[in-house]
Amino acid sequence: DTEVTQTPKHLVMGMTNKKSLKCEQHMGHRAMYWYKQKAKKPPELMFVYSYEKLSINESVPSRFSPECPNSSLLNLHLHALQPEDSALYLCASSPRGTSGTDTQYFGPGTRLTVL
Amino acid sequence: EDQVTQSPEALRLQEGESSSLNCSYTVSGLRGLFWYRQDPGKGPEFLFTLYSAGEEKEKERLKATLTKKESFLHITAPKPEDSATYLCAGYGGATNKLIFGTGTLLAVQP
Repeated sequence: DTEVTQTPKHLVMGMTNKKSLKCEQHMGHRAMYWYKQKAKKPPELMFVYSYEKLSINESVPSRFSPECPNSSLLNLHLHALQPEDSALYLCASSPRGTSGTDTQYFGPGTRLTVL
Repeated sequence: EDQVTQSPEALRLQEGESSSLNCSYTVSGLRGLFWYRQDPGKGPEFLFTLYSAGEEKEKERLKATLTKKESFLHITAPKPEDSATYLCAGYGGATNKLIFGTGTLLAVQP
């Protein structure tokens, strides 16, 4: 089973709201990722957690705040977003940390709209 | 600069008409070449990982191959349900992350 789940599927929020995206995997994977994908573009890496520690932050604005409470769960806290942050947010996981040779398995995504 | 380029941007095929998608890469020290399929509004679905030149992998109507400069995704006798965007990504270089191409949008008409 190579399933990554994400909730919610859709989220509409105002620029002053605080919301969170959630990602779970129960495959025992030790690396988890957040990507942002705009329409007709490839996914762009935002954050990487390896063994529950933040290992890569792609210079993402502080209005996006990741959290990895345990090895199965990854959150993305959102605050004071801008309309241009509207996108499909994808979570992924891979088995052995960021070794590079492991396949990343993606979740279905959360469609975020910022009004 | 590490880069992955896919061609064509879009491809329209008749059902049963075989073709190939191209993924050219300039990724120093490539450690893995990945193919994904993505349906509109959904997350990428893993298809293949290739690690070394000469490697080939097959799954149903799809076959992926890898050389030192490019990868091909061959689609044999496609069906309408094969319509999707196909993404290629390389892992290597100094970035320690997946470098995605911009994808090929495949439409298979009945």
